[in-house]
Amino acid sequence: ETGVTQSPTHLIKTRGQQVTLRCSSQSGHNTVSWYQQALGQGPQFIFQYYREEENGRGNFPPRFSGLQFPNYSSELNVNALELDDSALYLCASSLADRGEGKLFFGSGTQLSVL
Amino acid sequence: AQSVTQLDSQVPVFEEAPVELRCNYSSSVSVYLFWYVQYPNQGLQLLLKYLSGSTLVKGINGFEAEFNKSQTSFHLRKPSVHISDTAEYFCAVAGRGAGGTSYGKLTFGQGTILTVHP
Repeated sequence: ETGVTQSPTHLIKTRGQQVTLRCSSQSGHNTVSWYQQALGQGPQFIFQYYREEENGRGNFPPRFSGLQFPNYSSELNVNALELDDSALYLCASSLADRGEGKLFFGSGTQLSVL
Repeated sequence: AQSVTQLDSQVPVFEEAPVELRCNYSSSVSVYLFWYVQYPNQGLQLLLKYLSGSTLVKGINGFEAEFNKSQTSFHLRKPSVHISDTAEYFCAVAGRGAGGTSYGKLTFGQGTILTVHP
C-alpha cells in the first residue's frame, strides 16, 4: 500500500469527450508526476507538478493538462479524447526536498475511449 | 533526452534458478537509474535505485543491479527466484538535475515479463 489513491479505477468515454482523472498523493508529498501506460508498453511521462506549478512536460499535446491543489491532490484533464488515449494513467507522488529518489505510484485509472 | 532498451520482452525461468534482466540506456547527461516492478492490476513499486556511490546496488526481495557506465547498462539480477517474483519489470532513467524533482521525470523501457515456473 503506497498511500497514493486514484479515481476512478475504470472509465469509458467516447471520442471527442473530455475526462478528468484524480490523484490523492501520499501525505506530505509536494510533487506529483503523471504517466500514460499503453497496453504492452512502459509508462510515458506526461508532466510533473511541484508545489502547484507545472515542472516539466513530456511529449504530449496541450489537450493534456493538469492541476495540483494546496493539499497536493491533483488532476489530469484530457480534452477532445482520441482512440489512442486509451491507456492506464498512473500518478506518482514524492517529497522532492528529501531527494531520496523514490516515487510512490497509485494503481492507476484504466481509460477506454470508444 | 534519454532512452531505455530492455533487451528481453519475456524471460521464463524455473523456481530457484538465477535470473538476469538486461537494461541498456542512452543519455546525453548523467542519469539516475531505477528498476520498478509491476504486479497485475497494480501500480509500480520501486525495487532499487542508483543515485551515486557504489555501482552495485541492492534492493528489496533479494534483487540487485550493477551500474556499468562504460557499457551504459544497469542489469537486474537475482540468484534464486520464487514463484512470487512473477511480474513485469521496468528499467527507468532520469536525467540528473538540481533539486529532487528530477526523480519523477522518468523514461521507462518497454518492460520484461518474468515468469517463474514451478
